Order: sequence, then C-alpha cells, then structure tokens
Amino acid sequence: QQQVKQSPQSLIVQKGGISIINCAYENTAFDYFPWYQQFPGKGPALLIAIRPDVSEKKEGRFTISFNKSAKQFSLHIMDSQPGDSATYFCAAKSGGYQKVTFGIGTKLQVIP
Amino acid sequence: DAGITQSPRYKITETGRQVTLMCHQTWSHSYMFWYRQDLGHGLRLIYYSAAADITDKGEVPDGYVVSRSKTENFPLTLESATRSQTSVYFCASSESHRETQYFGPGTRLLVL
Repeated sequence: QQQVKQSPQSLIVQKGGISIINCAYENTAFDYFPWYQQFPGKGPALLIAIRPDVSEKKEGRFTISFNKSAKQFSLHIMDSQPGDSATYFCAAKSGGYQKVTFGIGTKLQVIP
Repeated sequence: DAGITQSPRYKITETGRQVTLMCHQTWSHSYMFWYRQDLGHGLRLIYYSAAADITDKGEVPDGYVVSRSKTENFPLTLESATRSQTSVYFCASSESHRETQYFGPGTRLLVL
C-alpha cells in the first residue's frame, strides 16, 4: 500500500527548463512534507520541506507547492541545471511519529 | 565530524548465510532507522529505534533483526539471507524533536 504516490518515475528536462515532480497522499494526519535529493552512490539528503499551513515554500530555485484540499504537493525546480540530475523523493510524516513515508522516487536528468 | 557511517559499503553473500550491516552515528541522535531502496519501491522502512533498547518494526521487517545496545550503533542482521534481500540499505538518524533524517552512504548487498 503506497501512502505517498509520486510521479513521474523518470524525467528528462533541458538545461534552463522547469522540472516538476508531483506527489499525492491519502493520510490526512500527515503534517510535514519533505523532499529529499539523492545523487548516485550517496544517501538521500533533505532538500526542502513544507507544512500544510502554507501553500508554497521557496528556497533558491526549488519551490514546493502544496494543495491541502487536493492532498497533493509538488516540487518545482526552476532554471534546471545538469548538477540537479539526481533522484528526488517526496515524503510525508505525521506529528508525534518520527517515521517518514517516502514516495518511489523520480530520476531527473537535466541535459545540456 | 564523521556523522553517520555504514559498513561494509559493499557485500556479496550467499543464500542462507547470516549478514550484519553496521551503522554508527556521532551526533547522539535518539532515533535511528534502517531502509532498503529498490527500483520501483523507493525507500521502505525496515526497522527503527527511538532510543537505546527501544526498537520497532517498519513496513518490511520480515527476515531482519535489529538491536540497539548503544545510542550510536544500530546494526541490522539478515539471519538467513535470501535473494529477495538483494538491495541497497540505508541507515538514517534524527533528533527526537526534529523531523530531518540524516542518511548514511548506504550498503550495497548482493545475495547470490
């Protein structure tokens, strides 16, 4: 049972373009939504996170958009660069529990 | 500052053998986690620990055993390895009052 559904599984974007990765969840108890970035041969690392009391959070070229009523959230990477090529995981966590549920991941390739 | 380390980084074993994967963190984080990463499944939680001597099952615990006698160590044992346990294993840790999980570099395990 996949509690956090992520799409697409792979994405190819040209340098300078916008990369968009979407996630959806069912559990309304989730109250923290992080995105992790993973480079080949490395462990995932926190990229950006949002709580459901805001609809958008921006950090540099990375933006999370959050739609609480639709139970969806997405990661936008503006001006995508080859160095952004990595696997991105959305995730969700409910308050009081340290367990995080991850999406299946999106492999992003930014081509020059 | 070593952070979180895993050993070995690569392991080849045979079906039926016992294998132990080691995880060590230097931050004194309360929580530690074991995940497995497989294509098409993302990161799935195997076991987690809230403190020394406190462990609990995650999503896919069958065939695995954990222990946590010291805060800094969280070994994962495959009691009788099976081919389906071929995977990349990640250890992670987090502070009890913060959501960010810090991942180790992973152990790539091949069961023949």
